[in-house]
Amino acid sequence: QKEVEQNSGPLSVPEGAIASLNCTYSDRGSQSFFWYRQYSGKSPELIMFIYSNGDKEDGRFTAQLNKASQYVSLLIRDSQPSDSATYLCAVNMDSNYQLIWGAGTKLIIKP
Amino acid sequence: SAVISQKPSRDICQRGTSLTIQCQVDSQVTMMFWYRQQPGQSLTLIATANQGSEATYESGFVIDKFPISRPNLTFSTLTVSNMSPEDSSIYLCSVAGTYEQYFGPGTRLTVT
Repeated sequence: QKEVEQNSGPLSVPEGAIASLNCTYSDRGSQSFFWYRQYSGKSPELIMFIYSNGDKEDGRFTAQLNKASQYVSLLIRDSQPSDSATYLCAVNMDSNYQLIWGAGTKLIIKP
Repeated sequence: SAVISQKPSRDICQRGTSLTIQCQVDSQVTMMFWYRQQPGQSLTLIATANQGSEATYESGFVIDKFPISRPNLTFSTLTVSNMSPEDSSIYLCSVAGTYEQYFGPGTRLTVT
């Protein structure tokens, strides 16, 4: 059974702090990893993807991948109230373009 | 990324009726996906729709209940047939990029 697991939260973080979101996956052969942000009542929006071990930075967002430990994380620096959303982790576990989705972590940034 | 539109954006339907949801993309794409997302839950894949072939359905979803058409590389429809209140959900289409997916705005369906 191919699975992606996330803590459903809510994760509450003060404004200006670093928010850390984590995701683990079951298939060691997975190659592509994605973070989506979903605001309430809206569709998911791709914010980061990572293919290689290590860190990938894009503005205030950093994705971290550790294939040996089978986890991927998303760090949000200088968190803003507008970052409050549900963050979905998705993993491509084979070559048929399907994504396996985590349940999502609800992030709340407190002013 | 592609621009994706869906129609209708929302609808309220009576049980036993059917609703067809349209998904239009502004560029040609090979793979399109249809998802369902129930309140507070993650995404559940209904089927993968490739142009020129029948849709591939996930476990728990059948063609008689969710017929899909994919007449060309920019358009697809999903029909929710013989609806019951349990079909109340948000239905999303997405298109594949390299390995990522991009989503339409969704269709919010309420069945009474």
